[in-house]
Amino acid sequence: DSGVTQTPKHLITATGQRVTLRCSPRSGDLSVYWYQQSLDQGLQFLIQYYNGEERAKGNILERFSAQQFPDLHSELNLSSLELGDSALYFCASRNSDYVGYTFGSGTRLTVV
Amino acid sequence: GEDVEQSLFLSVREGDSSVINCTYTDSSSTYLYWYKQEPGAGLQLLTYIFSNMDMKQDQRLTVLLNKKDKHLSLRIADTQTGDSAIYFCAVSYIFGTGTRLKVLA
Repeated sequence: DSGVTQTPKHLITATGQRVTLRCSPRSGDLSVYWYQQSLDQGLQFLIQYYNGEERAKGNILERFSAQQFPDLHSELNLSSLELGDSALYFCASRNSDYVGYTFGSGTRLTVV
Repeated sequence: GEDVEQSLFLSVREGDSSVINCTYTDSSSTYLYWYKQEPGAGLQLLTYIFSNMDMKQDQRLTVLLNKKDKHLSLRIADTQTGDSAIYFCAVSYIFGTGTRLKVLA
């Protein structure tokens, strides 16, 4: 157990729908990062939050949004879903006291 | 923005050395990382190198950093079938495309 918890583990939904993915970071970690892993595109950085504030933005679509709450958990909202949004979505957290990023086990999203 | 590139596949025989290469564009990161992803699992930190180092050895793993060429490599000595996985290079929070290592018995 890495200490980073992602729910749900699997999600199947229809095109056009909206879903919310949840991430609880390691205890004490202020930074949360979201990534999308598709078969042919490696690990794409989507967005970073630090203590509730957006810090960096990557290749995140306008249909996607995220936020980090006062208890430091984060949610990634995906709307108007398309078949191409099917992927593994990972959350990672980090604390300046240690080296590296701690990953959750991911949410597998399937859009049908 | 930052771009991190890796070759997609590498196949080696058990007992041989594996070398996984990575190139990047932004050299301002303090740390560069190698992560391992086993099938159906998340990513785990394998090793890292501080940006002012050229080499780091950690048991079977050797990391080489060439800052001039912006090139990072991971050498796995005596590669075992259990090393079969996807290996990601990362510069700060930007990850590469991943290299799928297949170890043949």
